Amino acid sequence: TQLLEQSPQFLSIQEGENLTVYCNSSSVFSSLQWYRQEPGEGPVLLVTVVTGGEVKKLKRLTFQFGDARKDSSLHITAAQPGDTGLYLCAGPRPGTYKYIFGTGTRLKVLA
Amino acid sequence: NAGVTQTPKFRVLKTGQSMTLLCAQDMNHEYMYWYRQDPGMGLRLIHYSVGEGTTAKGEVPDGYNVSRLKKQNFLLGLESAAPSQTSVYFCASKKEAGTGAYFFGPGTRLTVL
Repeated sequence: TQLLEQSPQFLSIQEGENLTVYCNSSSVFSSLQWYRQEPGEGPVLLVTVVTGGEVKKLKRLTFQFGDARKDSSLHITAAQPGDTGLYLCAGPRPGTYKYIFGTGTRLKVLA
Repeated sequence: NAGVTQTPKFRVLKTGQSMTLLCAQDMNHEYMYWYRQDPGMGLRLIHYSVGEGTTAKGEVPDGYNVSRLKKQNFLLGLESAAPSQTSVYFCASKKEAGTGAYFFGPGTRLTVL
């Protein structure tokens, strides 16, 4: 059973479109992180959210942590080809400091 | 400041062969990790270390061994490779437990025939 479910698995959109990807769990997380992984590279941290309801913005990316701290979303405005990659959410397994990763959303932005 | 480096970048093994993957970090991080990444499975933790001289099992430790003789290095060994170990292996480091970032290396693509 995957503790962190991400959806959609794959997303292919045109440049300039908006999109939202989701990270869901039935468990409460003390914090969640979002990473982006480009082909042939390791994941790179984008943001950490720690408070229920928290919203963080990183240029055209908006991250939200659910009020109940069981889910998070990533919204990209006016997507660009440079946003292409695998987006992973991660969080500490409840009650531990051991992080688990979701299976990811693979995004392709077409020029 | 190179961050986290991994060697080799690619490797092909035959079933039963052994090899060691090397991870090095220059950020003076206490925590180091080995993950494998497989399609549809996400990143799964193999082994980790919370400091020099310590190691612990992760989710999928069978068939792998690790050592952390120096703080900056974390080695992953495969004693007798199997086709099921074909994967991309990532090393990561972290300054401390908590909400800090994982810093990942560029990965090693291993194929076991």
